[in-house]
Amino acid sequence: AIRMTQSPSSLSASTGDRVTITCRASQGISSYLAWYQQKPGKAPKLLIYAASTLQSGVPSRFSASGSGTDFTLTISCLQSEDFATYYCQQYYSYPEALTFGGGTKVEIK
Amino acid sequence: QLQLQESGPGLVKPSETLSLNCIVSSGSISSSNYYWGWIRQPPGKGLEWIGSIYYSGSTYYNPSLKSRVTISVDTSKNQFSLKLSSVTAADTAVYYCARLIDGARGDVWGKGTTVTVSS
Repeated sequence: AIRMTQSPSSLSASTGDRVTITCRASQGISSYLAWYQQKPGKAPKLLIYAASTLQSGVPSRFSASGSGTDFTLTISCLQSEDFATYYCQQYYSYPEALTFGGGTKVEIK
Repeated sequence: QLQLQESGPGLVKPSETLSLNCIVSSGSISSSNYYWGWIRQPPGKGLEWIGSIYYSGSTYYNPSLKSRVTISVDTSKNQFSLKLSSVTAADTAVYYCARLIDGARGDVWGKGTTVTVSS
């Protein structure tokens, strides 16, 4: 099974900061990676798919890159509504197996 | 706009079977290119994919849960269901249903339903 490891598990940042979250796959997954945002008590929201494609309606301050085993999600100018937990998810062998990373909580400094 | 809504008992006894439904509204569960999935989140923890189903009935399950999981679809009612047998406290979680594009990424999610396993 493919394992997804995110780092850091949490971070503190201020509004306006640039934030980068890393996700590493235990084996190569090409670009079969998605990123989600989850706020407390809410369902996850799809932000990015195919490693770097912005989902419709997602602000352009969100960007992502990577392929193979190493991926990053960047928020260029953190807004108050961006404080949340972010998850990566691989779908390399879709639809047979999906795996999420452990999450990165972005907190207010 | 497509909406998903989970329903089912909020409390299940240990060793019993957890049963949840997900009703799909403002869209057809029989649409091609979409799978329908269940994902859960234990309190304070991350997301875990449970399994997915296509409207034809093809299913895929998380190997760690496969022996206890059954996902089914009822196209006439535009809904799909989850059964998880022999539950323990470790199955306590928020359970989400979601539409999975190509069975890969979830673009529409239900609000989630909390299931507690306790006697």
